Amino acid sequence: NAGVTQTPKFQVLKTGQSMTLQCAQDMNHNSMYWYRQDPGMGLRLIYYSASEGTTDKGEVPNGYNVSRLNKREFSLRLESAAPSQTSVYFCASSIGPGYGYTFGSGTRLTVV
Amino acid sequence: GIQVEQSPPDLILQEGANSTLRCNFSDSVNNLQWFHQNPWGQLINLFYIPSGTKQNGRLSATTVATERYSLLYISSSQTTDSGVYFCAVGYGGSQGNLIFGKGTKLSVKP
Repeated sequence: NAGVTQTPKFQVLKTGQSMTLQCAQDMNHNSMYWYRQDPGMGLRLIYYSASEGTTDKGEVPNGYNVSRLNKREFSLRLESAAPSQTSVYFCASSIGPGYGYTFGSGTRLTVV
Repeated sequence: GIQVEQSPPDLILQEGANSTLRCNFSDSVNNLQWFHQNPWGQLINLFYIPSGTKQNGRLSATTVATERYSLLYISSSQTTDSGVYFCAVGYGGSQGNLIFGKGTKLSVKP
């Protein structure tokens, strides 16, 4: 039982390059989330999808786009990477908005 | 927006000691969760506890929603308890969108 799977685990990008972070869950959860974690800042919500077919901005959405491809998959895209987007990115899912989260193992992204 | 403050920011314990971690929040919440981030970065959900008390082995948590705080108790600590403990809250119609505190870094020495 994999839970929440994120790919890739590590990535180095040059400024201006684009990439997509992938997230998939096998728990039949309705809600999915993308967070970034920076030193001393805790985790901050980038985008979320309360249910299949819906997406909404979180606290720090600038520079990102998302796609809820189906119930299982929720991807995060950086169109033109900037050094300020160097961070660890976590995907999470839950049965619904009022339930406990399950996190993926994270993607460590460095933009040079 | 809602503020989440965790204390202490850092805690060093000897193996076998007990500890209490605190989370204060500035407004009413309808979602509160505690997470443990291990030294390898993995985030594990410990409790979903918007109110009341829960226990899971050596860990227990209490949330007093009317007084806007939650406590995480760790008894008989082990070195594997080391890491960062996060409190996260959700509120109103956005209860699923968790706001995280900055965490308590716990180091348990053998």
